[in-house]
Amino acid sequence: DGGITQSPKYLFRKEGQNVTLSCEQNLNHDAMYWYRQDPGQGLRLIYYSQIVNDFQKGDIAEGYSVSREKKESFPLTVTSAQKNPTAFYLCASTPRAGLGPQETQYFGPGTRLLVL
Amino acid sequence: QKEVEQNSGPLSVPEGAIASLNCTYSDRGSQSFFWYRQYSGKSPELIMFIYSNGDKEDGRFTAQLNKASQYVSLLIRDSQPSDSATYLCAVRLYSGGGADGLTFGKGTHLIIQP
Repeated sequence: DGGITQSPKYLFRKEGQNVTLSCEQNLNHDAMYWYRQDPGQGLRLIYYSQIVNDFQKGDIAEGYSVSREKKESFPLTVTSAQKNPTAFYLCASTPRAGLGPQETQYFGPGTRLLVL
Repeated sequence: QKEVEQNSGPLSVPEGAIASLNCTYSDRGSQSFFWYRQYSGKSPELIMFIYSNGDKEDGRFTAQLNKASQYVSLLIRDSQPSDSATYLCAVRLYSGGGADGLTFGKGTHLIIQP
């Protein structure tokens, strides 16, 4: 059963705590992305990775960190420096980087992060 | 500053009619344009993408791109109640390195009235 999986579905964070959101894909997709969505808002890019062991900051990277040690995995850590972390976090992937305008992007089911 | 603008709606359309969703973008370097459908509480689902001027049809959906006017639209023919959702427009600048992230609009809430 192929696809993009994210876990957990819901995550609760206490003040000052770091939490890690999981994103896994078994589609052999090259590039992976993390977005954040706030209520009534569009998605905003946090980080993205085109190849293993390489990643770039997106528009709102402050307070977040990522790693890409394996092609199929791109975990996102929400650190205590992120002061307003409550949001819907979406992981996405692109089948093959380098196709230019024809590159498409598909999303996982998302993780909702709530601050206690 | 990359910006993507959409009318937030709600846009109400009778069942069986054509729904027309519009999107404008600010960066003339944008090369790919995407329409995603998002049901409440769910993740976005890719409906169509387009990168050449003109129309692209897929079933009941037609995407239209006009790069000179920096305008992209999505038409939904024979609208069904199941089409009721928020539609997100997204654009990508292609930097040459590939696989850049997308810039999203805030979405248009579409309601199909039975």
